[in-house]
Amino acid sequence: ETGVTQSPTHLIKTRGQQVTLRCSSQSGHNTVSWYQQALGQGPQFIFQYYREEENGRGNFPPRFSGLQFPNYSSELNVNALELDDSALYLCASSLVSAGTQYFGPGTRLTVL
Amino acid sequence: QQQVKQSPQSLIVQKGGISIINCAYENTAFDYFPWYQQFPGKGPALLIAIRPDVSEKKEGRFTISFNKSAKQFSLHIMDSQPGDSATYFCAASAITGTASKLTFGTGTRLQVTL
Repeated sequence: ETGVTQSPTHLIKTRGQQVTLRCSSQSGHNTVSWYQQALGQGPQFIFQYYREEENGRGNFPPRFSGLQFPNYSSELNVNALELDDSALYLCASSLVSAGTQYFGPGTRLTVL
Repeated sequence: QQQVKQSPQSLIVQKGGISIINCAYENTAFDYFPWYQQFPGKGPALLIAIRPDVSEKKEGRFTISFNKSAKQFSLHIMDSQPGDSATYFCAASAITGTASKLTFGTGTRLQVTL
């Protein structure tokens, strides 16, 4: 059974640029959630995808967007990067309506 | 609005001792309470979880105690080991239709000394 994988591991961007992060869900899971974890903080829910549609969103602006593909993998896109977007971005997969979510290793994004 | 409050912020325990981390929640719609362990530079790993119809759950050295009326739950790590040194997060979720999101506490940094 393959766990949740994310790419890239690290990324450095400058303010105003756009970034795309990728996630492959754990085998058999049909739901993907994205979280932002600032240094020293708990993860904050960005949004969740199920059946290729957004299925719940946290308090993040529209420049945070996502996609889910038929194989349940997912992308997180962030436009017009700001310095405060520097964080660890975590992807979690689960079965729909299940509380248990399994996290990937994360992508460390640094915005200069 | 912080819906899940976690304490202490940091904790130092001697090897073999008991580590206790506490969380309190506000939203009575929460119906699933997991604990995650996170090492530096890694993603959170699920340790143990409980639903509100149970007051205690034990898995190996890890125990969750749950008090529904007080809206509090805690993690006990028995016989703490240096390898347990990590940051621990409590979380809570409520399922709305097909959607479920985790609301995390602020984390407890545990250091187990020799």
